Amino acid sequence: DAGITQSPRHKVTETGTPVTLRCHQTENHRYMYWYRQDPGHGLRLIHYSYGVKDTDKGEVSDGYSVSRSKTEDFLLTLESATSSQTSVYFCAISEGGNEQYFGPGTRLTVT
Amino acid sequence: GENVEQHPSTLSVQEGDSAVIKCTYSDSASNYFPWYKQELGKRPQLIIDIRSNVGEKKDQRIAVTLNKTAKHFSLHITETQPEDSAVYFCAASRGGSNYKLTFGKGTLLTVNP
Repeated sequence: DAGITQSPRHKVTETGTPVTLRCHQTENHRYMYWYRQDPGHGLRLIHYSYGVKDTDKGEVSDGYSVSRSKTEDFLLTLESATSSQTSVYFCAISEGGNEQYFGPGTRLTVT
Repeated sequence: GENVEQHPSTLSVQEGDSAVIKCTYSDSASNYFPWYKQELGKRPQLIIDIRSNVGEKKDQRIAVTLNKTAKHFSLHITETQPEDSAVYFCAASRGGSNYKLTFGKGTLLTVNP
């Protein structure tokens, strides 16, 4: 597996609380992506980054924000978590040749 | 934007049989088509990919074919084994657009011993 870690791996939080998920890579890849995975929906892109401080929205970005202050870290923040954001979140990295490699995932439950 | 349809959603085969999963895409500018395998509770793993300048690619028991005219591509697994049981996802990308992938909804493949 590529050098990608995600933290935390599991989290339970209450509706309305802020949550930050971290993706850390040791590959020095330029591109980083956040996806959510839900039954029946496959993997859907939330936000992505194409360099330090360069980010853009994906197809399901409402309710999420991201930041990338260093090449190795990409943070996903749920400003005020809702039950609809209960999901498994995957980070992925790419050097830009299209191949994306995924982290181990974070299972988030919003009660 | 791109739309990727994947069929079937579930597929059950006997060990040793072949399995075929098909995907169609909508954006004629898409030029990169990867396949991922995801075992239960694990991360998606890239197993094979194909670019639009190639019609077929093989890697041992797996192969991918691409028909650009019809905008569809397929994953073929021969001599299936129980360890091939997993969810398979296809995806498509326009390449230069920050290499964003659009995924199909997945196919649950079960290989029965």
